[in-house]
Parts: sequence; structure tokens; C-alpha cells
Amino acid sequence: KQEVTQIPAALSVPEGENLVLNCSFTDSAIYNLQWFRQDPGKGLTSLLLIQSSQREQTSGRLNASLDKSSGRSTLYIAASQPGDSATYLCAVRPGYNTDKLIFGTGTRLQVFP
Amino acid sequence: DAGVIQSPRHEVTEMGQEVTLRCKPISGHDYLFWYRQTMMRGLELLIYFNNNVPIDDSGMPEDRFSAKMPNASFSTLKIQPSEPRDSAVYFCASSLNSGDTQYFGPGTRLTVL
Repeated sequence: KQEVTQIPAALSVPEGENLVLNCSFTDSAIYNLQWFRQDPGKGLTSLLLIQSSQREQTSGRLNASLDKSSGRSTLYIAASQPGDSATYLCAVRPGYNTDKLIFGTGTRLQVFP
Repeated sequence: DAGVIQSPRHEVTEMGQEVTLRCKPISGHDYLFWYRQTMMRGLELLIYFNNNVPIDDSGMPEDRFSAKMPNASFSTLKIQPSEPRDSAVYFCASSLNSGDTQYFGPGTRLTVL
């Protein structure tokens, strides 16, 4: 059974720092992996989607990497800003024959001025 | 586009009552997903549809839960009878095609007293 874990559970950093959020999954046979952002009281917003054949994806200050063999993904946020404060979730799609997403436990990020 | 629309945003009901949650996916999207988010279990997929047909309902907790999609622009998630342990935030999401980014609605916060 696929399990997705995120470390740390919470993170508080000063503005301007570069930071890394971690996501690990127990079964390396995934189809793709997505990173989402969730603001308090709101739904999820997709940030990046990495196909299993890809190693990384970039969008602005965000960079996500994927290492299937080790069951790990990282989300790198450069020059963090207070507006980045949110909960970040990773989710894996287990296979090509399903659209089910299995979500991680999330990392709550606070960036203070 | 208005995005995924969910109603109501908040629902408070008493144990034993029937609850109906509603979702309007993004126009043209073929896939619709229902998720439940709790502190204890995180974000879990309940059921998803493709072209109005249920594909995977393995996440539906028990017979008290049912979901329908009578047409491409509307879906309901019904709980009958409701129990306090059903208290959670229920999200609806839609995607254009298989494997595409899922777009989430704002969620319905359900409280069962």
C-alpha cells in the first residue's frame, strides 16, 4: 500500500531564506507526483506536476525534483516571502490506470517578515 | 472560468440527518473527484467519475455515503444518516483529462453534532 510522508510537519523561517520541503513515498512505481498549496480555509492549488519520466519541474521561484528510485521528491522555494505561508502537500498518482491521488501529510510553512 | 463551485460552504447538522453536498466542475472537464480532509486522516479520495460514470469508489467509507453525477455539470455527495465522525471538510475537484492537474473547489465544512 502506497504511503506518502512529508517532513517537516511545520516550518517557520524568516523572509528571504531558501528552503526545501521533503516528500517520500513507499512504492516507487508511480505515474506522476504533484505539489499543491493550501491556504487556510481554502481549497488546494496545484503548483507543479512531475511525470515519472522527469527529474524536475520549475515554475518561478519553485523547483520540484523527483527521484523515483529512492521514493523521494523535494520542493525548493527560493527567496521565500510572507505570501508563501501556507500548507504544502505532495500527492502521487500510483499508476497509469488510475486517476486516484494519494496525498502526503503536509508541511505547514510560515514565512515571517 | 469560475472554477469548481461547491455548495454549501458550511453545513451544521444533527446526527441522523441527511446531508447533501453539491459540486459544479469546470466546464469541459471530464473528471470529477470527491475528497474528504480531516486532521486525523489528512486528505483522502472518496470517489471519482469519468464522463459522469463512477470509476473508483473504494474510498467511500460505508453505505451511508453515496455520490451521483447526473450530468456533466453537477454532482452530489450524500450522507444518510450523518454521524459526528463524518465531520470534515469535503472537497470537489475536476480535471480536463486523465492525469491532468486537478482543480479544487473551496470545500464544504461539515459539522455533525
